[in-house]
Amino acid sequence: DAKTTQPPSMDCAEGRAANLPCNHSTISGNEYVYWYRQIHSQGPQYIIHGLKNNETNEMASLIITEDRKSSTLILPHATLRDTAVYYCIPKTSGSRLTFGEGTQLTVNP
Amino acid sequence: DTGVSQNPRHKITKRGQNVTFRCDPISEHNRLYWYRQTLGQGPEFLTYFQNEAQLEKSRLLSDRFSAERPKGSFSTLEIQRTEQGDSAMYLCASSLSENWGGVQYFGPGTRLTVT
Repeated sequence: DAKTTQPPSMDCAEGRAANLPCNHSTISGNEYVYWYRQIHSQGPQYIIHGLKNNETNEMASLIITEDRKSSTLILPHATLRDTAVYYCIPKTSGSRLTFGEGTQLTVNP
Repeated sequence: DTGVSQNPRHKITKRGQNVTFRCDPISEHNRLYWYRQTLGQGPEFLTYFQNEAQLEKSRLLSDRFSAERPKGSFSTLEIQRTEQGDSAMYLCASSLSENWGGVQYFGPGTRLTVT
């Protein structure tokens, strides 16, 4: 599994866009990039995933660089409920998810 | 609610006792996973099932741990002779079979405290 580097913490003002970066320079061609988040004391929540193309759903947008060595998760209008630890996880066709340290996002009023 | 459910949500036990947790996956999902999360760390993979077959076990799953999924639906995770180091959140997730990638949906977890 590819190693990932994420900033340990970030702050964002409520209503503004939160841009969470992830470096995964050793990602292999068959690995998708998954993003999960974990609100305190809850189970992880799936957000979005992608292989090469940018993706958007009702929760977020995922921007993957052309060389696939990094990606950015964008929460377009952050709310206080988006305060959580965000995990970027490259994943092969194998089944396990390998969680790193993640980024603690704090959305401030 | 049709999400993943786990019971109990909290369990306090004394060292040396046995405990058993249950996970009910999303009904059409044939894969079921167990993870463990200690304070301040990300979840760590323990084991997974496809239908009733246990296909992979982590080195974290010592011989005191056993997991079953007898009819390919719910699963149980038993810890025998609990130790204080077993105190953690035990998370269950489920997914459909996958060729590439695949979304795992997590339950709320069972928090175990060993005193």
